[in-house]
Amino acid sequence: KQEVTQIPAALSVPEGENLVLNCSFTDSAIYNLQWFRQDPGKGLTSLLLIQSSQREQTSGRLNASLDKSSGRSTLYIAASQPGDSATYLCAVSWVGSEKLVFGKGTKLTVNP
Amino acid sequence: DTGVSQNPRHKITKRGQNVTFRCDPISEHNRLYWYRQTLGQGPEFLTYFQNEAQLEKSRLLSDRFSAERPKGSFSTLEIQRTEQGDSAMYLCASSPGQGARSYEQYFGPGTRLTVT
Repeated sequence: KQEVTQIPAALSVPEGENLVLNCSFTDSAIYNLQWFRQDPGKGLTSLLLIQSSQREQTSGRLNASLDKSSGRSTLYIAASQPGDSATYLCAVSWVGSEKLVFGKGTKLTVNP
Repeated sequence: DTGVSQNPRHKITKRGQNVTFRCDPISEHNRLYWYRQTLGQGPEFLTYFQNEAQLEKSRLLSDRFSAERPKGSFSTLEIQRTEQGDSAMYLCASSPGQGARSYEQYFGPGTRLTVT
């Protein structure tokens, strides 16, 4: 079964700290991996897309890496800010299907 | 460039009633997806369209659920004879279907359904 797992489920850090969110997936035959941000009661905002042929993507203070062989991705957030507080979701599509399979997310709180 | 829009944003209905949601994708996106999200969980895939063709459906999409995209533009999701277990956020997404980032999905704000 194709599954996505995110650890930790929740994380609380002081402002300014660098942090890493983890995502693992079964079956390395992925097509791409997307990281999203979700604010309470809202839709999803796409942060980064990593295609299967890529190892990492960067956008501003965010850096996402992909290691297909070990079934892992990490989202690195530099110099965290209170405005980064949200739930971060990892989603994977596998070869042969366009649907995204999501993890349960990591709820991040950045304290001022 | 307007994003994905969904209407209504909130819907409260009584058990047994039918409800219909609408999704307008980003212009020129030929892929459209429906997901359902319950509290504390990640979104779960329901179905997707390439233009007007419905190409994949989840086992979650029981016979009470039907989705259409009649002209390859907007889509509707109908739930017949609603049950309390249908209470969830219904999310729509679209993707270009071509180009380097062809399958990057962009999500709308969702429709929150409460069945009483």
